[in-house]
Amino acid sequence: NAGVTQTPKFQVLKTGQSMTLQCAQDMNHEYMSWYRQDPGMGLRLIHYSVGAGITDQGEVPNGYNVSRSTTEDFPLRLLSAAPSQTSVYFCASSRAGAGGNSPLHFGNGTRLTVT
Amino acid sequence: LAKTTQPISMDSYEGQEVNITCSHNNIATNDYITWYQQFPSQGPRFIIQGYKTKVTNEVASLFIPADRKSSTLSLPRVSLSDTAVYYCLVGENAGNNRKLIWGLGTSLAVNP
Repeated sequence: NAGVTQTPKFQVLKTGQSMTLQCAQDMNHEYMSWYRQDPGMGLRLIHYSVGAGITDQGEVPNGYNVSRSTTEDFPLRLLSAAPSQTSVYFCASSRAGAGGNSPLHFGNGTRLTVT
Repeated sequence: LAKTTQPISMDSYEGQEVNITCSHNNIATNDYITWYQQFPSQGPRFIIQGYKTKVTNEVASLFIPADRKSSTLSLPRVSLSDTAVYYCLVGENAGNNRKLIWGLGTSLAVNP
């Protein structure tokens, strides 16, 4: 199993450009999520999904869109990049289910710089 | 929603036991306590998880007192490779109400 795969690893954008960060998992996990990690601010949840066709906002959703057409894929779209979106982005997935906790499995991140 | 507080940094030496304590005063009944480890340029990796009392696996132990308002991650006999950032996470991963909030992490430096 590859686990959670994120592409690209690095990306530089100019202000106003758009792009899609890809995330795929091969563990048949229902739950998938996107985080951004900034120095001194820890991990902040952007969007998450509890299954195909279902998405919801996290703590910092503005400027980002997501969709979940399949169980495996959960792309994150930046509509019009801004310097404030310079960050490291992590995708994570886990099994979902009632009555317990399923640990998150993370990808190795995409480092995004917006100039 | 529970929030967590943990020390920003800790220093240790090879072979010592390291204990990192996380405070979560408003933990909810259904919340679990999970610890993750993160190395530079990698995503966080699951270490251990518990609900109450003590949990032990091949890499760490997790101590949770009866009131569950704090928890302590214990790393026995650390090595240089344990230098990393450790995150305490409190929340419930079940169902649709899944909005986990992460603390700022504890940066552990293990010295020779």
